Amino acid sequence: DSGVTQTPKHLITATGQRVTLRCSPRSGDLSVYWYQQSLDQGLQFLIQYYNGEERAKGNILERFSAQQFPDLHSELNLSSLELGDSALYFCASSVGVRGYSEAFFGQGTRLTVV
Amino acid sequence: SQELEQSPQSLIVQEGKNLTINCTSSKTLYGLYWYKQKYGEGLIFLMMLQKGGEEKSHEKITAKLDEKKQQSSLHITASQPSHAGIYLCGAGRDSGSARQLTFGSGTQLTVLP
Repeated sequence: DSGVTQTPKHLITATGQRVTLRCSPRSGDLSVYWYQQSLDQGLQFLIQYYNGEERAKGNILERFSAQQFPDLHSELNLSSLELGDSALYFCASSVGVRGYSEAFFGQGTRLTVV
Repeated sequence: SQELEQSPQSLIVQEGKNLTINCTSSKTLYGLYWYKQKYGEGLIFLMMLQKGGEEKSHEKITAKLDEKKQQSSLHITASQPSHAGIYLCGAGRDSGSARQLTFGSGTQLTVLP
């Protein structure tokens, strides 16, 4: 158990819909990262938050957004869903935002868009 | 080309054999991370390497970092079926305001009993 909790574990929804994925970081970790993993793209970095502030953006679509709340949990919002958004979405957390710190991943949310 | 190249892409070994997986970065490394993933499951943190020449071991898995060559190798001694899975290397990248992790495409390891 990495200490990073993601809910839900599985999600099936229709095209055009909106979903919210939730992540609770390890106790004491201030940084949260979101990743998308698909067969053709591999593990792609989406966005990073540190202590409530957005710090880095990767290959995140405009239809996607995220936030980190004062209690440090984070949510990834995916809207106007398309079939191609079907993937595993991972959250990871680490202590810091710079320097070297170990990053631990949650079990992921498997999103299926039908 | 990919920022992080892993080789081989897949590996099938007989139980008890040793094996090595390599990871090469085309950009400056700020830390090199190794993870293991069972298909469709979460990533399990194995090791993080920071300094050139650094070597870390966990049970039968050893990872080394050659900072000058921007390469890392993961070596498994006397492989077991429990070692099977996808091994991913991740590189710390500096975006100015934060460090983030980018990943290679992974090495699929199969260990035959």
